[in-house]
Formats: sequence, structure tokens, C-alpha cells
Amino acid sequence: VQLVESGGGLVKPGGSLRLSCAASGATLTTAWMSWVRQVPGRGLEWLSLIKSESDGGTTHYAAPVKGRFTISRDDSKNTVFLQMNSLRTEDTAVYYCTWDYAGSPWDWGQGTLVTVSS
Amino acid sequence: QSALTQPPSASGSPGQSVTISCTGTSSDVGGYNYVSWYQQSPGKAPKVMIYEATKRPSGVPDRFSGSKSGNTASLTVSGLQAEDEADYYCSSYAGSDTYVFGTGTKVTVL
Repeated sequence: VQLVESGGGLVKPGGSLRLSCAASGATLTTAWMSWVRQVPGRGLEWLSLIKSESDGGTTHYAAPVKGRFTISRDDSKNTVFLQMNSLRTEDTAVYYCTWDYAGSPWDWGQGTLVTVSS
Repeated sequence: QSALTQPPSASGSPGQSVTISCTGTSSDVGGYNYVSWYQQSPGKAPKVMIYEATKRPSGVPDRFSGSKSGNTASLTVSGLQAEDEADYYCSSYAGSDTYVFGTGTKVTVL
């Protein structure tokens, strides 16, 4: 499966952005999907997961983004989203979407850079 | 959820072996076999090298192997090659449909 993220860019602190992750080569219908970020030069940080609709479509978040970020999916468009609100400078990172398999992020997109700065 | 602990760096000469540890707790590494290892080259997305602690995806050289004992997982790269120079990260399922990543290890081929 190929994953392509989009929607990154420069935003002011307190602002919002909506990231998209479009999949090709396979249908997302049965997939569990995650978002992971990486501050340039730093490590990976798991942010959020959404189960397939057949598994309940439930969502889960890491503590640093809970209440500010919302993951969602549109299986008819083979796309997953990450709505990011109340952005902080520490949210500056490359954001990856992942197709999860065997209990871990498996296929990764190329990432989209989000810069939060005034 | 705290990041899993990895050594910041590891190195070896071509042909040698290098082993990277990934230490967590009974709530993540010790509690599940869903431990994965990723290789990340500069400017690239991570690539799965080991999954379910010991399994290798198709296409990954058998020089890469994984193991787990208690709260610590390990990745061993045998017969080091120049192309193995990269950052390596572990990840673990951490319960309640969450994941946690390791702090990352930079592998240098001398």
C-alpha cells in the first residue's frame, strides 16, 4: 500500500491544521491506521490510532495530543485525517501516517512537515 | 507512556555484529510480543525490519534478527554492511490500542 500525506505547512501557535493521508494500492476498509510524528533530528512519537469500522472505528490518543487532535477516516475516499487544534510550538514535526499490521505501524507515508511558529 | 530506552549509538566494522537493546516495562515490551524494529535512513520514512519480536518481513536480509527476554527486546545485525548505517527504532504495543517507540539508536559502520 502507498500512503501519501498532505496538509502540512506553517501555522501560528493556537491555530489549526487538518492533515490527510490518502492510500492507494489497497482498500483502507479493514485497516487500523495511526499517525506518528518526528521532530527533525529527534525520535518517533506515536500520536493516535483509529480502528477499522468493522472493529468499531474506535480512536485512541497519546497524552500530549489528547483533547487537541482528532483522528478520523473516510473509507469511501480511502483517506485518514488528523485534525490538529490548539497547536503549540512543540508540535512542530514531520507527521507520518501508518498502516498498522501485526500489532505495529507497518507501511509508512513519506511524511508532511508541520511548523508551528509565530 | 514513557519512551522505550535504547542506547544512543552503536558501531561496528564491516562484517562484525552489533546488538541494540530496547528496554521497557511489563506494560509494553514485557507484556506483549508486538515488538517491532525500524530502520530509518536520513530523509526517509522508517522501514520495518523485525515484527512480533523475532519475525522478519519478506525482503529483509536474514542478517537482521530479533529477540526478547522479559522487558527487553534486542535487534542484532550480523555481518554489518555499509548500507546498514542508519537510525534504528523499536516500538511496542502498550495496551489499550496504543503504541510506544524507543528513543532511537544511531548505528555507525566504521
